[in-house]
Amino acid sequence: ETGVTQTPRHLVMGMTNKKSLKCEQHLGHNAMYWYKQSAKKPLELMFVYSLEERVENNSVPSRFSPECPNSSHLFLHLHTLQPEDSALYLCASSLDGESEAFFGQGTRLTVV
Amino acid sequence: GQQLNQSPQSMFIQEGEDVSMNCTSSSIFNTWLWYKQDPGEGPVLLIALYKAGELTSNGRLTAQFGITRKDSFLNISASIPSDVGIYFCAGRNYGGSQGNLIFGKGTKLSVKP
Repeated sequence: ETGVTQTPRHLVMGMTNKKSLKCEQHLGHNAMYWYKQSAKKPLELMFVYSLEERVENNSVPSRFSPECPNSSHLFLHLHTLQPEDSALYLCASSLDGESEAFFGQGTRLTVV
Repeated sequence: GQQLNQSPQSMFIQEGEDVSMNCTSSSIFNTWLWYKQDPGEGPVLLIALYKAGELTSNGRLTAQFGITRKDSFLNISASIPSDVGIYFCAGRNYGGSQGNLIFGKGTKLSVKP
């Protein structure tokens, strides 16, 4: 248990659906991240939030939309996804943008 | 772009054996991290290395920051069944931003009792 909680743990959605992934941490961290983990590929950083402001967006398609309403919560809104978007989506947080990150358990997303 | 080569891709060992895996980079890093990911879980940080030549232990795990700053090694002594999982290296070469962290593809470890 790292203190970073992700819900849901599993999600199956159609290509026309809209869904949201949620991440929550009560570690007092000020930076939060979304990563994508696909089979046999390195972890890919998607978004970085520091003090609730987005500081990095690594050329992620607009069908992924992050939201950070406060320093404890991070969302990833999904719409009109493609089957190749199926992956494990990991949330992480760190004390600040330069400290090592703690990962959540991930949401296993399947797009059908 | 920068790449991390992590090897081996997978290992099948007998309980009690020692394990060694490594990562090499095409460029110099100033931070090396080693994570373990259990099935169905997120990665957990095992060891962090910040200085060339540094050797750090965490229980039966020992990691070293290569003197060339382009490689790192992780050793597990006297493996046990709960060591099963995927081990990832990650490196960073400027600043301390999480955005500068590059991950290897992982080493999948299987342990036969």
